Amino acid sequence: SQKIEQNSEALNIQEGKTATLTCNYTNYSPAYLQWYRQDPGRGPVFLLLIRENEKEKRKERLKVTFDTTLKQSLFHITASQPADSATYLCALAGASGSARQLTFGSGTQLTVLP
Amino acid sequence: SQTIHQWPATLVQPVGSPLSLECTVEGTSNPNLYWYRQAAGRGLQLLFYSVGIGQISSEVPQNLSASRPQDRQFILSSKKLLLSDSGFYLCAWKSDSNQPQHFGDGTRLSIL
Repeated sequence: SQKIEQNSEALNIQEGKTATLTCNYTNYSPAYLQWYRQDPGRGPVFLLLIRENEKEKRKERLKVTFDTTLKQSLFHITASQPADSATYLCALAGASGSARQLTFGSGTQLTVLP
Repeated sequence: SQTIHQWPATLVQPVGSPLSLECTVEGTSNPNLYWYRQAAGRGLQLLFYSVGIGQISSEVPQNLSASRPQDRQFILSSKKLLLSDSGFYLCAWKSDSNQPQHFGDGTRLSIL
C-alpha cells in the first residue's frame, strides 16, 4: 500500500541553523509533491510545489529537492528563526485524475530555539 | 484574490445530533473542493472531493456525507454524529489539476 513517512515527529534546532526535514514515500508515483506549514489550530498553508521532472525549487529561505529514484523529498529552511516553529507537512499528488487528490504525511513538528 | 471561509470555527455537539459544516470560496470559479479530517498529531485524511456542482466523490466509508449545491459552496453533513466523528475538519480548494490546494482554517468538532 502507499505510504508516506516524514522523519521524526519532532525536530529541535538552534536559531540560525539550517533545518532539514525528510519525506519518504513507497508504492507511489507522484506527479508532484507539496510542502505545507501548519500552526496549531489553523489550516495548512501552502509553501512550495515541486514536479516530478524538477530536482530543486527555492523560495526565499526555503529549498525543496525531489529525488524520484530515492523516492524522497528534502525540505530545507536556512537561517532558521523562532517564527519558523510549526508543523511541516509533505503531500503527494497522484499522477492521474482531474482532482489530483493529495496524500499527506503525518508531519514533522519543528521547534527553532532562540 | 481568492479566499476560503469555513464555519463555525469550533463546535460541540452531542452524540446522535445532526451536523452541517459549510465552506465557501471567493474569487474563483469552478474550483475543485475537498473535505479533510485531521486527528490529533496525524496527517490529513481525505473524506470527499468535488470537481463540479452536484459531483461528489467519497474516499472513505463513514457516517458523513457531502454536497455541493453551488459552484463555490461545499457542505459536510451527518444525520447522527458518533463519538468517532470528533476531529479537526478542513476544507480546501484548487483551481485546476496542476495547482496546489489551499486550506481554510478548519472547524474543531467535539462530540460529547
